[in-house]
Amino acid sequence: NAGVTQTPKFQVLKTGQSMTLQCAQDMNHNSMYWYRQDPGMGLRLIYYSASEGTTDKGEVPNGYNVSRLNKREFSLRLESAAPSQTSVYFCASSEMAGFNSPLHFGNGTRLTVT
Amino acid sequence: DQQVKQNSPSLSVQEGRISILNCDYTNSMFDYFLWYKKYPAEGPTFLISISSIKDKNEDGRFTVFLNKSAKHLSLHIVPSQPGDSAVYFCAASANSGTYKYIFGTGTRLKVLA
Repeated sequence: NAGVTQTPKFQVLKTGQSMTLQCAQDMNHNSMYWYRQDPGMGLRLIYYSASEGTTDKGEVPNGYNVSRLNKREFSLRLESAAPSQTSVYFCASSEMAGFNSPLHFGNGTRLTVT
Repeated sequence: DQQVKQNSPSLSVQEGRISILNCDYTNSMFDYFLWYKKYPAEGPTFLISISSIKDKNEDGRFTVFLNKSAKHLSLHIVPSQPGDSAVYFCAASANSGTYKYIFGTGTRLKVLA
């Protein structure tokens, strides 16, 4: 039972390059999320998708775009990477948004922008 | 503005003793609270949660206490084991349709054998 799978695990980009982080879940969850974790900052929500076909901004959406490709997959795109986007990115899913539904996380993508 | 605060960056406890991790929040609309454990190079793992209609929830060695008037929650681990050494995050959400979980900055627990 894979749960939430993120690819790639590691990535190094030069400033200005673009890339897409992939996330897939096999728990038939309705809601999916992208967080970033930075030292001393905890986990901050970038974007989320309450259900297939919808996406909304979180706390720190600038510089990112997302696509809810289908119920299983939720991708995060950096169009023009900046050093401030160096971080660990976590994808998560929940049975449904809100309604006391815990998040289930993937193992993260460590991104370095030089 | 940090709506969920974990003021202790780290905590060391002897094996077998009680570990108490604390979390404070400022938003009175929060009504669901969770604790996550995180090992290095892994994603956070859900531990235990509590709804605002309760003041205590227990699951094995883990108990979460909620004091709504003080806007404070705590996680008790009894007895603490070396495998509990990890970073613990508290999180909160408001079931008001915003669907956002706000996380604290984490507390690193070290259980000494």
